[in-house]
Amino acid sequence: KAGVTQTPRYLIKTRGQQVTLSCSPISGHRSVSWYQQTPGQGLQFLFEYFSETQRNKGNFPGRFSGRQFSNSRSEMNVSTLELGDSALYLCASSFPGMEETQYFGPGTRLLVL
Amino acid sequence: EDKVVQSPLSLVVHEGDTVTLNCSYEVTNFRSLLWYKQEKKAPTFLFMLTSSGIEKKSGRLSSILDKKELFSILNITATQTGDSAVYLCAVAMNRDDKIIFGKGTRLHILP
Repeated sequence: KAGVTQTPRYLIKTRGQQVTLSCSPISGHRSVSWYQQTPGQGLQFLFEYFSETQRNKGNFPGRFSGRQFSNSRSEMNVSTLELGDSALYLCASSFPGMEETQYFGPGTRLLVL
Repeated sequence: EDKVVQSPLSLVVHEGDTVTLNCSYEVTNFRSLLWYKQEKKAPTFLFMLTSSGIEKKSGRLSSILDKKELFSILNITATQTGDSAVYLCAVAMNRDDKIIFGKGTRLHILP
């Protein structure tokens, strides 16, 4: 069974640009969560999608948005990039009702110059 | 404000030593506590704890939860260099199925 996949794996952008990251969950998983990980703040929750609806949202500015498609694949978008957005972005998927046992993807490392 | 605090932030020990990692939490509507191991990229799931006093064990790793004192420990006995990683503690809440992570403990095992 294929694991969670994320694309791209690495990305370099400049301030002011926007970026879209993609996450394909494990087959059968309908819940997808996104996290930002930085050395200073650790793993911080961005948002969670279930059945194409945002179910939870963390404390991030409106520049961070996401969506989920009918096949459970999810994308997150960051507009007007700032230097502080440089981080590892992880997505995790889980079976409905088993959100605790999330399976994480390898992450997308974003560098904003 | 809901929070999960891990200690120590980093730890360096020699191979063969036993280590204890700590995780304390203050959350509303606690549902479960989770431990993950993160080596290079993706965190991998270790344990889920929901009941106080019941030890979960997997090989040299074990963990226990104290819901009265609001903390959990993760023990690793006879450490090996392959145990070097960041260990993450997270708490899942009933409210909105939210999960909050601690900042992690970076463990380095010297050969």
